[in-house]
Order: sequence, then structure tokens, then C-alpha cells
Amino acid sequence: GAVVSQHPSWVICKSGTSVKIECRSLDFQATTMFWYRQFPKQSLMLMATSNEGSKATYEQGVEKDKFLINHASLTLSTLTVTSAHPEDSSFYICSAQDIEAFFGQGTRLTVV
Amino acid sequence: AQSVAQPEDQVNVAEGNPLTVKCTYSVSGNPYLFWYVQYPNRGLQFLLKYITGDNLVKGSYGFEAEFNKSQTSFHLKKPSALVSDSALYFCAVGRGGGATNKLIFGTGTLLAVQP
Repeated sequence: GAVVSQHPSWVICKSGTSVKIECRSLDFQATTMFWYRQFPKQSLMLMATSNEGSKATYEQGVEKDKFLINHASLTLSTLTVTSAHPEDSSFYICSAQDIEAFFGQGTRLTVV
Repeated sequence: AQSVAQPEDQVNVAEGNPLTVKCTYSVSGNPYLFWYVQYPNRGLQFLLKYITGDNLVKGSYGFEAEFNKSQTSFHLKKPSALVSDSALYFCAVGRGGGATNKLIFGTGTLLAVQP
């Protein structure tokens, strides 16, 4: 199956700083990628749809100014958590899909 | 609106016994149904999908799932469980296919296989 690579796998940052997470499709072009957030022992919550060359589409309740998404090329989407706070600590996962979705490895963000 | 339900938070089964992880869905039109598995601190791995055709779908690692339109179910099954199957399993439903189709995920079922 297709490969989606997500980096970093984990990151610890201080409260108030910004963190960038990268999602790359390694062997296919993805005009659309999805960003999810997962809380412990819970399902994936879709945060936004990342569209190559245009603005991301955010789900209701997700702050677009806090979670900046950039999809500058057909193989790379980035999620930047701005002015991170402890409540932003979570597991963030990206995906790209043809019919089925292919997921990155996930990023464990801890804000201290 | 699309939705998917996994009624069991956890399923316990002894190694070697058959396992079933339940999933029911709601979607207008023909559903695209998926099962994914997640190991701790990892992304999701694709197991199998139903788009059309035979109601019994075979996937990775010996798993299979049966699409039942009348019961709107897509239960995941395996004839003989392994300890290494212990993980979190997610059912997902989409409406139509393609790169831009949003998938809706169930709440997940933790499968625990005892040796």
C-alpha cells in the first residue's frame, strides 16, 4: 500500500511555543490530506481537510488560527500548533487517501 | 449523515478461539466500509474494505469481514485469534470513494487476546 510519513513521532514543547508537524505522501500525489486528533482511548476526531494550493477546510469547533495547515505541494502538508498550551497535548495523525486512507505514524505532542 | 457504531469498548478472547468485533453503520446510498488497526502510539493500518461485490471480504493478517446490508453491519472476524492481534480496531464508513471523501470512524474496540 501507499506510504505516508509523519514527522516528528513525538515532540515536547514549552507552553506558548509553536510546533510544526509534517505529513508526506512518499509514493503518490495527494491533493487532499486529512488531519486528525486522537485523545487517549478515544476515536479519531477529524480536525481539517488540507487542500493542495488552497485553504484548508476546518471542522466545526476547530480553531483555524491555532491549527495552521499548509499544503504547498502534492506530497507535503504541515500542521502548525501555534502558541501551544497543555490542553493541546494529544496524538495527531495525518492521512492521505485514494479509496482507503493511508495514515502517518502519528505525532505525540506534549506541551509542558 | 454518516455514522458508525462499535458497541463494544473491549473484546476479550483466548488465543486460538474465533473473534468478532462488531460494527454497524448508517449512511445514505451505498457505503464504503473499512477496518483499521492501531497499535500503541502508532498510526492506523488498513486491514480491509468493502466497496461492492462479494459480501465476505478478506483482508490482512487473516482477518475478514462480512457486509450485511439488511442489518447495516460490517463485523470483523478471524477464525483463530493470536496474542499479536491485541490492538485497537476501528471501523470506518465513507460515502463514495476518492481522495477527498471524508471517513467517519467508530469509537474503537480494544481487542485483548489472552495466551
